[in-house]
Amino acid sequence: GAVVSQHPSWVICKSGTSVKIECRSLDFQATTMFWYRQFPKQSLMLMATSNEGSKATYEQGVEKDKFLINHASLTLSTLTVTSAHPEDSSFYICSATIIAGERENEQFFGPGTRLTVL
Amino acid sequence: GENVEQHPSTLSVQEGDSAVIKCTYSDSASNYFPWYKQELGKGPQLIIDIRSNVGEKKDQRIAVTLNKTAKHFSLHITETQPEDSAVYFCAASRGNTGNQFYFGTGTSLTVIP
Repeated sequence: GAVVSQHPSWVICKSGTSVKIECRSLDFQATTMFWYRQFPKQSLMLMATSNEGSKATYEQGVEKDKFLINHASLTLSTLTVTSAHPEDSSFYICSATIIAGERENEQFFGPGTRLTVL
Repeated sequence: GENVEQHPSTLSVQEGDSAVIKCTYSDSASNYFPWYKQELGKGPQLIIDIRSNVGEKKDQRIAVTLNKTAKHFSLHITETQPEDSAVYFCAASRGNTGNQFYFGTGTSLTVIP
């Protein structure tokens, strides 16, 4: 149980285009979803925290107009990279926390999305 | 805010030997400490976690110890196997739903057959 999926698993796009990444909790309802960015051989960098039905909270230095987050339901959050540029190329990972129960402290991670901007 | 440090950054062990990875944290309010294994090109997978009301937890070849006074916790892998090779991350959290995780910088473990 507690499976998180991401789609697509990888995407290549041209500079200037927008890319949408979906994060779904498949078998549980998630109160909160997190979006991370990871550069090669580095740790996970939290970009934003989103709660269903409310605006995302962005970490310092993350442009909210560039990285649009929508958390429309308890099982789906999307990250849209707008006007992508080569420096946005990275591995994007989402995670979700469960609403209640003995596993409510845990974050369940998706498999990640590799974005390459040409 | 919380600051989590992780050592070593790289670790090579012979198959069958033990591996130990250590993390320290700064926020005394942190009470949930998970460990994640990340294979290349994949998302992190939880391998074991510990809450501040216990000092040690074990799951087969994997164990985690926590010293709240010293604010450090460690991952122990015994009888290592080549498939244990991966990057391992520790994290600390205040433990409430929706609370941010603070990650260590990762340890790249290589198990030599």
